[in-house]
Amino acid sequence: DVKVTQSSRYLVKRTGEKVFLECVQDMDHENMFWYRQDPGLGLRLIYFSYDVKMKEKGDIPEGYSVSREKKERFSLILESASTNQTSMYLCASTPYGRGFNQPQHFGDGTRLSIL
Amino acid sequence: AQKITQTQPGMFVQEKEAVTLDCTYDTSDPSYGLFWYKQPSSGEMIFLIYQGSYDQQNATEGRYSLNFQKARKSANLVISASQLGDSAMYFCAMREGQVHQFYFGTGTSLTVIP
Repeated sequence: DVKVTQSSRYLVKRTGEKVFLECVQDMDHENMFWYRQDPGLGLRLIYFSYDVKMKEKGDIPEGYSVSREKKERFSLILESASTNQTSMYLCASTPYGRGFNQPQHFGDGTRLSIL
Repeated sequence: AQKITQTQPGMFVQEKEAVTLDCTYDTSDPSYGLFWYKQPSSGEMIFLIYQGSYDQQNATEGRYSLNFQKARKSANLVISASQLGDSAMYFCAMREGQVHQFYFGTGTSLTVIP
């Protein structure tokens, strides 16, 4: 089974801090994604990566950056955390090139609170 | 325009009854896949069922089936014989052709009543 591991289930940080959310997958997937989930808004894509050192902006990239130095690891960075970034963050991965029938595999999520 | 629309923010169903969760989609790509996920209160996203745009038959996985009406661009999830453990958020999602991105709906919160 695919395992996507997010470094923290719960995280509390202060306004202005630099925050790192880490995600690791163990199935050699090319594609990795970061979403934030807010009530009534569903999942919104922040960034995704289809290869090492490659990244693409999603729908809401403002205030975030990402890093993919190794294939298995995809990091989300909040450069200067703000209270409106309090949310649930979900990481996901999929293989590339095996057709569009491959589901995304998700981590357990990180509930981030910015005080 | 929204790629995925889920119009039911919340639904209730009696235990052991069937329930249908609605999903409509918007795409001009002839090749696409439709997915349903379950998210319990603990937060993890669980993949339930997949339907491809070229599939001739509706997908089924145990108590889950997908009512796929291509001309109407709808992909409703049917859960038969509801159980208390089915209480969760349910998300419909779509991927088009070779595009990397998945599009998600806003979700439906299902509550199963004993």
